[in-house]
Amino acid sequence: NAGVTQTPKFRILKIGQSMTLQCTQDMNHNYMYWYRQDPGMGLKLIYYSVGAGITDKGEVPNGYNVSRSTTEDFPLRLELAAPSQTSVYFCASNPGQGGITGELFFGEGSRLTVL
Amino acid sequence: GQQLNQSPQSMFIQEGEDVSMNCTSSSIFNTWLWYKQDPGEGPVLLIALYKAGELTSNGRLTAQFGTTRKDSFLNISASIPSDVGIYFCSSGGWNNDMRFGAGTRLTVKP
Repeated sequence: NAGVTQTPKFRILKIGQSMTLQCTQDMNHNYMYWYRQDPGMGLKLIYYSVGAGITDKGEVPNGYNVSRSTTEDFPLRLELAAPSQTSVYFCASNPGQGGITGELFFGEGSRLTVL
Repeated sequence: GQQLNQSPQSMFIQEGEDVSMNCTSSSIFNTWLWYKQDPGEGPVLLIALYKAGELTSNGRLTAQFGTTRKDSFLNISASIPSDVGIYFCSSGGWNNDMRFGAGTRLTVKP
């Protein structure tokens, strides 16, 4: 069972470079989320989506962009990487049935370092 | 915005002791969820609560949804070494933006 798959698992970027973190889920979930977790800290919501074609900002959206063209995929784009974006990024999904948000299923995380 | 205040930040306990942690917010929520994160992995759900006043157990874990709908607690009884990890509370508003507390880092000494 694949569940939520994130790529890459590790990446080092130079300041000002751009990249996309990929996230795909094979559970036909409507809701998808991107979080960042700084060392020793909790998870901060970057962006989320309640269905294809719909995205909304979370707590810390600045410096990021997302798109949701299909139910399965929810890529996170960093346009001009900055050292403050060094973090572990988690993608998650939820069935979103009946408008009730319950358990989030997480990917294994993508560790990004910006030098 | 919706902020979840989780405490304590960390706990160091002896194997066999009971543990209690809690989460509070100034906002009213319809769900409270508790997750555990092991090193290098994503969080995994422990207990989900969907009704004010609800008390739910999962083995040695017990969690309650506060009657004011603004708080929740998680208890772990008779801790064992594999309970080590970071515990997060989570909740969200009507627009399904699921937020997380800062986490409680648990260390269990054998």
